[in-house]
Amino acid sequence: AQSVTQLDSQVPVFEEAPVELRCNYSSSVSVYLFWYVQYPNQGLQLLLKYLSGSTLVESINGFEAEFNKSQTSFHLRKPSVHISDTAEYFCAVIGGTSYGKLTFGQGTILTVHP
Amino acid sequence: GAVVSQHPSRVICKSGTSVKIECRSLDFQATTMFWYRQFPKQSLMLMATSNEGSKATYEQGVEKDKFLINHASLTLSTLTVTSAHPEDSSFYICSARDGVGELFFGEGSRLTVL
Repeated sequence: AQSVTQLDSQVPVFEEAPVELRCNYSSSVSVYLFWYVQYPNQGLQLLLKYLSGSTLVESINGFEAEFNKSQTSFHLRKPSVHISDTAEYFCAVIGGTSYGKLTFGQGTILTVHP
Repeated sequence: GAVVSQHPSRVICKSGTSVKIECRSLDFQATTMFWYRQFPKQSLMLMATSNEGSKATYEQGVEKDKFLINHASLTLSTLTVTSAHPEDSSFYICSARDGVGELFFGEGSRLTVL
């Protein structure tokens, strides 16, 4: 069985500050890891994913996440946040080769203050 | 990217009635669609996997007769909540998998049962 834990339910930060949203997973087999973002009143959107290869993955809007197998983590970071980054962020995992059955974390609400 | 549309986005119904939610892939064919449920301040929980032309596969604890899923075409899956009760009030989200395995999510449908 696989599970995902997002350690922070809410993260308030000021604009232009750095942010880290934490995600830890458990799985008995190899994993694929994802971060999804849900802006207010919108659906889920894929932010970035790790499938294989380089353990550091980046999104087009400045977020990055690093797959750390020894610590079973996939934390999401951004060096300088904007007001527009305010949203709920979900970490998700697919274990083994069952592509499609995502297990989601509880979500982290990122609020960026001016 | 590909677009998945859900309808209706919000629905309010009386206890005992049935409600149908549609999930459409607008610009790609999806042989597999997934239905998730999100309770307030909780994570998304996979309810069932919907395969075109065959019966849906339900996750443990999800009532098949309560949540009817039909995937009659490569672009449409429907979720019918039968004899809805207030405890069925929730946010329902679908996702569709395209030909290369990428997942795209709908905007979600908020069901309120009075």
